[in-house]
Formats: sequence, C-alpha cells, structure tokens
Amino acid sequence: DGGITQSPKYLFRKEGQNVTLSCEQNLNHDAMYWYRQDPGQGLRLIYYSQIVNDFQKGDIAEGYSVSREKKESFPLTVTSAQKNPTAFYLCASSLGLAGGQETQYFGPGTRLLVL
Amino acid sequence: AQKITQTQPGMFVQEKEAVTLDCTYDTSDPSYGLFWYKQPSSGEMIFLIYQGSYDQQNATEGRYSLNFQKARKSANLVISASQLGDSAMYFCAMRPNTGNQFYFGTGTSLTVIP
Repeated sequence: DGGITQSPKYLFRKEGQNVTLSCEQNLNHDAMYWYRQDPGQGLRLIYYSQIVNDFQKGDIAEGYSVSREKKESFPLTVTSAQKNPTAFYLCASSLGLAGGQETQYFGPGTRLLVL
Repeated sequence: AQKITQTQPGMFVQEKEAVTLDCTYDTSDPSYGLFWYKQPSSGEMIFLIYQGSYDQQNATEGRYSLNFQKARKSANLVISASQLGDSAMYFCAMRPNTGNQFYFGTGTSLTVIP
C-alpha cells in the first residue's frame, strides 16, 4: 500500500535529550514537510524539502533539525534547544510540482511528550 | 502575506442535516489552490476536497462541496447529509502556486448529534 508512515506513535523525551522522529513515504513524492500541532491550533510548518539534499526552514524551525538523504525519508530531530517540544508532529508529502493541484498527504503523526 | 481564517471554533449539526464550515483567505498571489482536510480524533489529516483559483465551477466530492467565492476570498465547505462519522476537526488550507508552502487555518470542530 502506498502511503506515509511515521514512527513512533508516542515518544517521550527527557530534559536535555535529542530525539528523532521518523517519516517515510513510498508515494514517489519529491516534496516532504514537517508540521507541529498544538491543542486548539492549526498546523505550523517546521521544515520542508522539495528535493533530496535540500530543505528550507518554515515558520518555527528553531530547536529542530532535518535531513533529506533519500527521497523516501525525511527525519526530524527535536534538539535540546527546543524548550517546549510537547506537541503532535505531522509529516506530509506532495508531488512537488509548481502550480496546479498539489495535494499534501499526511502520515498518522507522532505525539511527543516531555518527562 | 498569506493567511487563512476559520472563525467557527465549534459547530453542531443534527444527523442527516447539511452544515457549512466557513473559511476566508488572504493572498496576493493570483493563482492558488484551496484545500479542506478532516482530522478525526486519531490525529491523521485526511484530504477531502480541492479548488483551484481559476476553476469556474465549485468543486464537489461525494457529500462534500466547496462554495468558492473568489471576490469575497471565501472557500466554505458544505457537508450534506451529515453522519456521526463526520464528527472531527476540519482545516482549511491554501497553497499559492508560486511556492511550495501550504497555509492552514486554526480549524473548526464539528460535532454531529444523533
């Protein structure tokens, strides 16, 4: 089945610890995105990548880092510099075409909690 | 600047009735796409419907239709014959065709009452 997988479903972070959230897609999409969702709020863009080995900061990139070594994978690391990481994290992908219909498809999300 | 506004934090509808969820947007881009997503309690975002800014007709997908009024910059979602499974958060989003970023509203929580 084609789709986007995220792991783990729940993640617990200790103070001062870096943690990495996994996102994999087999849709052959070029573009991938990471969003953060807090209760009662919409989605805020952390990072996005249009092609392999290239990515851009979104609105709330501070305290996060990403890599895009493979087309299928776009892992997000929440560093110790992110002082309030408790949130729901959603990964998405799209074809990456300029113009026209460009629907984003989402993974099931990862809930990150700080111990 | 791009902005999506959803002014209804919560809505209730009787089962089998129709409901309209409001969305207004602001963009200086002449060409853009508008999207609606459904987020059930499980958390996954489910794509519902798309409308292009140059599409002459309003988009429809089964029980979902998008009431697109370009001059008013509104893109309301209409759900007909509501079902209990429609209870969820609904997000409006926009993507200017000149870029790759999507912009989301804060969402509307819909509760369908039996």
